[in-house]
Amino acid sequence: GEDVEQSLFLSVREGDSSVINCTYTDSSSTYLYWYKQEPGAGLQLLTYIFSNMDMKQDQRLTVLLNKKDKHLSLRIADTQTGDSAIYFCALEGAQKLVFGQGTRLTINP
Amino acid sequence: DTAVSQTPKYLVTQMGNDKSIKCEQNLGHDTMYWYKQDSKKFLKIMFSYNNKELIINETVPNRFSPKSPDKAHLNLHINSLELGDSAVYFCASSQAGGGAGNEQFFGPGTRLTVL
Repeated sequence: GEDVEQSLFLSVREGDSSVINCTYTDSSSTYLYWYKQEPGAGLQLLTYIFSNMDMKQDQRLTVLLNKKDKHLSLRIADTQTGDSAIYFCALEGAQKLVFGQGTRLTINP
Repeated sequence: DTAVSQTPKYLVTQMGNDKSIKCEQNLGHDTMYWYKQDSKKFLKIMFSYNNKELIINETVPNRFSPKSPDKAHLNLHINSLELGDSAVYFCASSQAGGGAGNEQFFGPGTRLTVL
């Protein structure tokens, strides 16, 4: 089955860029997703990219997809304290989403 | 208006008890899901239903029984609770079966603690 891997922790300074990485094994997913989970809340869709795209930009968010290396990344520009959360990448499996372990992003003042 | 709601938000109970968690979505979606998030925040799908029909059952012990009385509701009943069942359980819904770029909307979660 699909295997999706992420680093568990990332710490950045306020104002810097954050880059959260995700690698996967099965490349058949049509869409690849980034979800955000704030403390005590459920997951919310942050952005997604169609598999035939290399890059998608949405305000402070940039998603990069390298299909050859099976690597997905999320860049958050000008990281703010409100960006503190756990970020999950997710790929489509058989009638379901398969989530990575989540990366906890911590912002230092 | 809450799109996906779950009750209760917190549930503390003794080992061996039976408990239920309820989920309702007012988005008109056809597909609903139950996920389990463990203490390390790892999220794993348990079940999905499409129009009241079970689509996915991910090797979950048969102590867990989902029930979908209609497509807006998906409840989770757990028999003979064990310590390892302690987790946060999330309900989610989507318009289709997750294969067409359709966003999944998550409920706020139910934190289950088994003592």
